[in-house]
Amino acid sequence: DTGVSQDPRHKITKRGQNVTFRCDPISEHNRLYWYRQTLGQGPEFLTYFQNEAQLEKSRLLSDRFSAERPKGSFSTLEIQRTEQGDSAMYLCASSEGGHGYTFGSGTRLTVV
Amino acid sequence: GNSVTQMEGPVTLSEEAFLTINCTYTATGYPSLFWYVQYPGEGLQLLLKATKADDKGSNKGFEATYRKETTSFHLEKGSVQVSDSAVYFCALIITNAGKSTFGDGTTLTVKP
Repeated sequence: DTGVSQDPRHKITKRGQNVTFRCDPISEHNRLYWYRQTLGQGPEFLTYFQNEAQLEKSRLLSDRFSAERPKGSFSTLEIQRTEQGDSAMYLCASSEGGHGYTFGSGTRLTVV
Repeated sequence: GNSVTQMEGPVTLSEEAFLTINCTYTATGYPSLFWYVQYPGEGLQLLLKATKADDKGSNKGFEATYRKETTSFHLEKGSVQVSDSAVYFCALIITNAGKSTFGDGTTLTVKP
């Protein structure tokens, strides 16, 4: 296993466009998390899944954001009608139970 | 709610100096505590963890002791190297409750 993979590494999009990011967790990990990180800040929780069930969503996750993990393996995070304020690093992490996370390298989104 | 407060940076040290990065927390429930490190352009990596009071986490010469009485988890290293230059994040997780709460990070620069 090569760890947590995120794709793409970088995404530049025009305001108003939709974007989708993918995360492939460590295969034996049942929990998958999405975080957002802006410059000079720690990661902010967005949502998490246990297997295919989405168990919690942050208030940061507006109705323009949606996340899925259809088969309890990879996950996608979609942002509709992107805004400049959505520019950030989007981090995915996975874990087994409540132990420490393994993070991916992140997807850096720039909305122009 | 849960929160993590880290000492503000940036921290600049000379090689072989002693490092302390302070971290205090507030939590409802009984948290596990973590330190993560982030190198430029990369995701976060788990550095060390402690799951109960008085536990000491250690890795790569870094140490932190879970102090319930002072709600602290300060990171220490006896002799830093240039390669330790990175951003360090303190975090907590309420076991089995899903998400982690992160501090805002402390940037460490070690000069030769």
